[in-house]
Amino acid sequence: SQKIEQNSEALNIQEGKTATLTCNYTNYSPAYLQWYRQDPGRGPVFLLLIRENEKEKRKERLKVTFDTTLKQSLFHITASQPADSATYLCAWAGSYQLTFGKGTKLSVIP
Amino acid sequence: EAQVTQNPRYLITVTGKKLTVTCSQNMNHEYMSWYRQDPGLGLRQIYYSMNVEVTDKGDVPEGYKVSRKEKRNFPLILESPSPNQTSLYFCASRADRTTGELFFGEGSRLTVL
Repeated sequence: SQKIEQNSEALNIQEGKTATLTCNYTNYSPAYLQWYRQDPGRGPVFLLLIRENEKEKRKERLKVTFDTTLKQSLFHITASQPADSATYLCAWAGSYQLTFGKGTKLSVIP
Repeated sequence: EAQVTQNPRYLITVTGKKLTVTCSQNMNHEYMSWYRQDPGLGLRQIYYSMNVEVTDKGDVPEGYKVSRKEKRNFPLILESPSPNQTSLYFCASRADRTTGELFFGEGSRLTVL
């Protein structure tokens, strides 16, 4: 079965630095990958989608890359702020389903 | 306001007492899905529906039922809840059957004693 691995359970970073989160998958390349943000006790909120034929996507301070050779997506937050502290989920898109990684809890320290 | 609404948000029940968690979306979305989230296991899909009267199993369907009689509603039914179904449940929807962002509800925290 498809496995999605987000390498770090938790990541601490100083305010102003760039946070980089990793998502690796096994077996098949997805049609696309998605990244979500989840705050404690809340539902995940969509951030970015990147398709298999795209190398990079940007949205404001967020950037996602997709390397099908490495079977990896990287999620970057530049100029990180304490308000960026949350759990970030990677999701692999199959035919009709999304398979989620367990998430990386990001803490941005002032 | 575009949203996915789940009820109840919190519920404590006892083993074997049937319960239903409702989910409704006001965005005319084709696709709806249920997930459960457990510490250390992440979000796992229970069931999904691509259209009215079309439902299919996700990764962890045992002990659950769903129905999709109307486009906007996708209730999750626990016929005989057990303690291992204690979890945080999320309903989600998206416009397209096969692609696009998921819109999640606020979650339903269920405790089965």
